[in-house]
Amino acid sequence: EAGVAQSPRYKIIEKRQSVAFWCNPISGHATLYWYQQILGQGPKLLIQFQNNGVVDDSQLPKDRFSAERLKGVDSTLKIQPAKLEDSAVYLCASTLNSAGNEQYFGPGTRLTVT
Amino acid sequence: EDQVTQSPEALRLQEGESSSLNCSYTVSGLRGLFWYRQDPGKGPEFLFTLYSAGEEKEKERLKATLTKKESFLHITAPKPEDSATYLCAVCGGATNKLIFGTGTLLAVQP
Repeated sequence: EAGVAQSPRYKIIEKRQSVAFWCNPISGHATLYWYQQILGQGPKLLIQFQNNGVVDDSQLPKDRFSAERLKGVDSTLKIQPAKLEDSAVYLCASTLNSAGNEQYFGPGTRLTVT
Repeated sequence: EDQVTQSPEALRLQEGESSSLNCSYTVSGLRGLFWYRQDPGKGPEFLFTLYSAGEEKEKERLKATLTKKESFLHITAPKPEDSATYLCAVCGGATNKLIFGTGTLLAVQP
């Protein structure tokens, strides 16, 4: 069974530029999550989708971050404009249904904002 | 407020030297406590889910236990390949989302 796929693996941009990350979850997994992991910290949830609907985006900085999952399968996370403090690893995870089940993570995208 | 605290922050062991990692949590209505392993440059890898106090799960040299306030990850006779960051997370409370601790960085020397 294929795991969660993410691209790109690495991205370096200058502050005020925009960037987009892509995630394809495990086949059949209805719930998709985007996390931000700053160096030395645990992952922090940015947004949770159930199929193509948003369940929780309370910690998403909506003035600069946006995410979509139009067909209920793959998803994109966008940052525009980027700030220095956005430098982190962006992880995508998926699970079969809602909370209480184990989440499976992709390899992440390491973003460096200079 | 839901909270997870892991200790120690870092642990260095000799190969074969058993030890335990601690995860203390505060959450209303625990739906599950999760242990993950994270290698450098990779995403977290799922290890265990524990649902209720008294529950235990084992996988190779790892054993996870759960009480009402904390969980332990016991590592028996570790090998260098067990070196990684071990993350603990809880799911519960009003939001039902995973709250992660900051992890324990384990280094096992041959």
